[in-house]
Amino acid sequence: GAGVSQSPSNKVTEKGKDVELRCDPISGHTALYWYRQRLGQGLEFLIYFQGNSAPDKSGLPSDRFSAERTGESVSTLTIQRTQQEDSAVYLCASSKRIAGGNNEQFFGPGTRLTVL
Amino acid sequence: KNQVEQSPQSLIILEGKNCTLQCNYTVSPFSNLRWYKQDTGRGPVSLTIMTFSENTKSNGRYTATLDADTKQSSLHITASQLSDSASYICVVHRDYIPTFGRGTSLIVHP
Repeated sequence: GAGVSQSPSNKVTEKGKDVELRCDPISGHTALYWYRQRLGQGLEFLIYFQGNSAPDKSGLPSDRFSAERTGESVSTLTIQRTQQEDSAVYLCASSKRIAGGNNEQFFGPGTRLTVL
Repeated sequence: KNQVEQSPQSLIILEGKNCTLQCNYTVSPFSNLRWYKQDTGRGPVSLTIMTFSENTKSNGRYTATLDADTKQSSLHITASQLSDSASYICVVHRDYIPTFGRGTSLIVHP
């Protein structure tokens, strides 16, 4: 595809349920990021994947959050036992890996998660 | 603590006017600084990237400046258009880890 795609675009769930969010990066982009954007807040870094290297999970807020990526393709972000505080827009971005981090990230449209 | 502070939080201007948005950061070590534009309901889109040695960079009507000594950056928008209405986000990287500001919400009125 031409850009980063995410699904679903909107997700409403009940407190305590598990949710799975999907990100399809731009083909050929080895780096993939997940972010959380709460209403009126800046983006929070959650996790970073680079090729087949071990992911940087330093931004995950709790052990209820996990993410997987198969090679350099699709990634899924899973939130277990959702809480109302998890309500936010979850954004995915991909980029080519360039030394020094001077790599432009291309963002998907996000998944808006509402936990009732 | 690595932080990015942006001001003003929101700004309303008339079409055709200029404006300047500010970004102060404490992120260290510094790799680069980007300004993003985020339209409502969409993901951010990069406008400019500034590396340590760059002081100013232009992209059409957008001009970004960087003072690495004072750890300040600005984004100047010239001859604003209605389509400039968006959130403008300053992002500072430590290698591949970004720290985002909360953004400045810009509204351009006709």
